[in-house]
Amino acid sequence: DQQVKQNSPSLSVQEGRISILNCDYTNSMFDYFLWYKKYPAEGPTFLISISSIKDKNEDGRFTVFLNKSAKHLSLHIVPSQPGDSAVYFCAASGKGGSQGNLIFGKGTKLSVKP
Amino acid sequence: DVKVTQSSRYLVKRTGEKVFLECVQDMDHENMFWYRQDPGLGLRLIYFSYDVKMKEKGDIPEGYSVSREKKERFSLILESASTNQTSMYLCASSLSGSGGLEQYFGPGTRLTVT
Repeated sequence: DQQVKQNSPSLSVQEGRISILNCDYTNSMFDYFLWYKKYPAEGPTFLISISSIKDKNEDGRFTVFLNKSAKHLSLHIVPSQPGDSAVYFCAASGKGGSQGNLIFGKGTKLSVKP
Repeated sequence: DVKVTQSSRYLVKRTGEKVFLECVQDMDHENMFWYRQDPGLGLRLIYFSYDVKMKEKGDIPEGYSVSREKKERFSLILESASTNQTSMYLCASSLSGSGGLEQYFGPGTRLTVT
């Protein structure tokens, strides 16, 4: 049973526009959330994270929003660039999981068209 | 800068062979992980280790074993490779405790079993 869900397998966006990637979770014990970016034939790289005590965290073009009541988080990329084309994984951790373990979603493939 | 290296980028093995995948990290991280990534399935945890000689099963440990004799090295072993183990294998490491939620990934090993 999936505890972290990314319901959109793919997303296509025009360069310069906003990309919004969504993630839902079921375990209310999760208290820390991360986004990873993965290019083909490379390992995932950490992008941005948010603790459950916050509802927003910003880093340059990337902003993560957390809605605890809805058990939903989203990653906003503004403006989107062709180099942002990659698979994005949402991950969660917390008291409900073992020490240091992350639970990953299945990923969303973002394509940014020039 | 954290560096996680994996012994091979691409590997082709025959059914029934014993396969060793090696992972080394240079940041003195306590935690190390092995995942496999398959299209549409995301990242699935095979095994993880909190310390030298410690190991814990992840979500899909069947057909795999691991070894951690030194802190910096975590090996994944396919005792008798099968075609359904054809996949991208990713190693990761992290610190223990509250600072250990961000995992750093290696570049991955694309294993093909024929």
